[in-house]
Amino acid sequence: DTAVSQTPKYLVTQMGNDKSIKCEQNLGHDTMYWYKQDSKKFLKIMFSYNNKELIINETVPNRFSPKSPDKAHLNLHINSLELGDSAVYFCASSPGNFGYTFGSGTRLTVV
Amino acid sequence: QKEVEQNSGPLSVPEGAIASLNCTYSDRGSQSFFWYRQYSGKSPELIMSIYSNGDKEDGRFTAQLNKASQYVSLLIRDSQPSDSATYLCAVPEGGSEKLVFGKGTKLTVNP
Repeated sequence: DTAVSQTPKYLVTQMGNDKSIKCEQNLGHDTMYWYKQDSKKFLKIMFSYNNKELIINETVPNRFSPKSPDKAHLNLHINSLELGDSAVYFCASSPGNFGYTFGSGTRLTVV
Repeated sequence: QKEVEQNSGPLSVPEGAIASLNCTYSDRGSQSFFWYRQYSGKSPELIMSIYSNGDKEDGRFTAQLNKASQYVSLLIRDSQPSDSATYLCAVPEGGSEKLVFGKGTKLTVNP
């Protein structure tokens, strides 16, 4: 069983479209995260949820909206996609000690 | 955001040599430090954590921490080609659930 699973693995879409990325963890962790890794491999936090509650909301465009229906799921919806949104988006979970388990990533390409 | 600095490399070492990866951080109050390994096209995985000054050994890996100098390093002994990856240093931002990553050092171990 995959501990942190993300779908889809690849996403190619046109500018202006709306898309969602889904994440699920079966580790029983309370905290989940979305990180963005740009073309220079810099990994930067976007959001964090603890037991369905938003606890970190970095300075990202409000076109990005996370949703956590329960503590095992954290989804990311992106409106009006732009070229600069192209990146790899990683979901991660943690039991609270920063020992993150990352999902396999979603490579988003906006054309 | 607190800063975590790494030499981006690339660092190239011959097989069997010791690879030394360095990281400095800006938050003097940081108490825990992490090394993640990321193979090309894959997600980061936790390989070492260190909380106290001094050395921590795990197999061929040794993490070294010097809080006075705000410096943490990772030594890989008897480097193998399979160690070729990008190594990410990560430090929690004080008082938050956020892990701040350095930009990573790309290591290549040549057979």
